[in-house]
Parts: sequence; C-alpha cells; structure tokens
Amino acid sequence: SQQGEEDPQALSIQEGENATMNCSYKTSINNLQWYRQNSGRGLVHLILIRSNEREKHSGRLRVTLDTSKKSSSLLITASRAADTASYFCVPSGGTSYGKLTFGQGTILTVHP
Amino acid sequence: DVKVTQSSRYLVKRTGEKVFLECVQDMDHENMFWYRQDPGLGLRLIYFSYDVKMKEKGDIPEGYSVSREKKERFSLILESASTNQTSMYLCASSHSGQETQYFGPGTRLLVL
Repeated sequence: SQQGEEDPQALSIQEGENATMNCSYKTSINNLQWYRQNSGRGLVHLILIRSNEREKHSGRLRVTLDTSKKSSSLLITASRAADTASYFCVPSGGTSYGKLTFGQGTILTVHP
Repeated sequence: DVKVTQSSRYLVKRTGEKVFLECVQDMDHENMFWYRQDPGLGLRLIYFSYDVKMKEKGDIPEGYSVSREKKERFSLILESASTNQTSMYLCASSHSGQETQYFGPGTRLLVL
C-alpha cells in the first residue's frame, strides 16, 4: 500500500472559514480515503472516492480527485471548532487484505 | 454503527512485563489490524489478521506478537515490554474486499 502526502502540515483558520487540504500520491490507485483524528472521537473514516470519480460530497465535506495529477483535495466548508483535528489521506491500489498506509496528516486548528 | 473496542484507554507497565492489548469488533469483519502511533512517525502497522488464526507481519512487528482465536477478537502481545514501546496503540477492522477501516479509541501505553 502507498502513503499519501498531505499539505500543508498545519492549517489555522477562524470558525466559519473554509479549510482546504491537499494530498499527493505516487502510483495508480483504486480509491482514496480521507480520515480524521481528534481526541474526542479518535480516528474516523470520513469519505472514500473511487478512481473513476472526480468529486464527492458528504455534508460540509467536498473531496476532489485528479488521477492525472495524482492528487486529491479535501474542502471543509463553514468550519467549526469541532473540526479541529488531524486529517489523513489514504490512497489505495487495491491491496491485499485491505492494508492501508497513513502519512503524517494535516493538523487543522479552527479558532472560535 | 461499527464498534471497535479496546480493553484499556491508558496502561502503565514496567520494563520486562508481558502486556496484552485486546481489541474486539462487533461487525463480523474478517480483517483486523494493530497500529502504533508516535509523534513525527505517524501510524505504523504492526500486525494484521485476515481470518481466525491467520496473521501477517506489518511494517514493525519486532517485539510484538498477536493472537486471533475468535473472529471478533484480536490481541496484541508485548512479550517483554521495553520503554521504546511506549506509544498509542490503535486497533482497526474492515470487511474482506473493502478498504475502509474502523478504528478503536486507542490504548495509550506507558512503559517505565
């Protein structure tokens, strides 16, 4: 399994603003997932986008995928203090047994 | 909702002790995983299991062993705990053929 590289490493915004996090990866994928980790709810799956999809929405989350550039972005609209967390992108090429590799993540801080 | 539980949230052990970390999932998942998470190093896969009594080494298996006697339960064993095994340990599970993983709350282990 391959690791995604999130950018920026840290992001600080005010409540109500939008937050955009980017992800790059190296080899072809079947899908790409985004996870969030905070102290309250632990590590949680947010959204999965397949390689034949370009954009996917879930509530205030919007994920894009550009397989030609091997990149993805996660947009959180109208951010809240509760969105403060680390965000990880996890690309997957269809590994055996569902193994995943996590990178360092983007640390998002939303100030009230 | 998928529920993955871990036996302890916090654990303090002495060097040389045998340590058992237990993980239980209630969704009949075939795959189960143990990770450790350290600042600056991210999540690293220790061991995983794709079926009862089956296990595979991850990226950092040294100093650890695992046991999967029942489908819902996956145990991580530190045969002789050392201070460099102080870490956050995360358990996860997933369905066979799917790559979304569901994580437990984590066990923060301190080895003195």
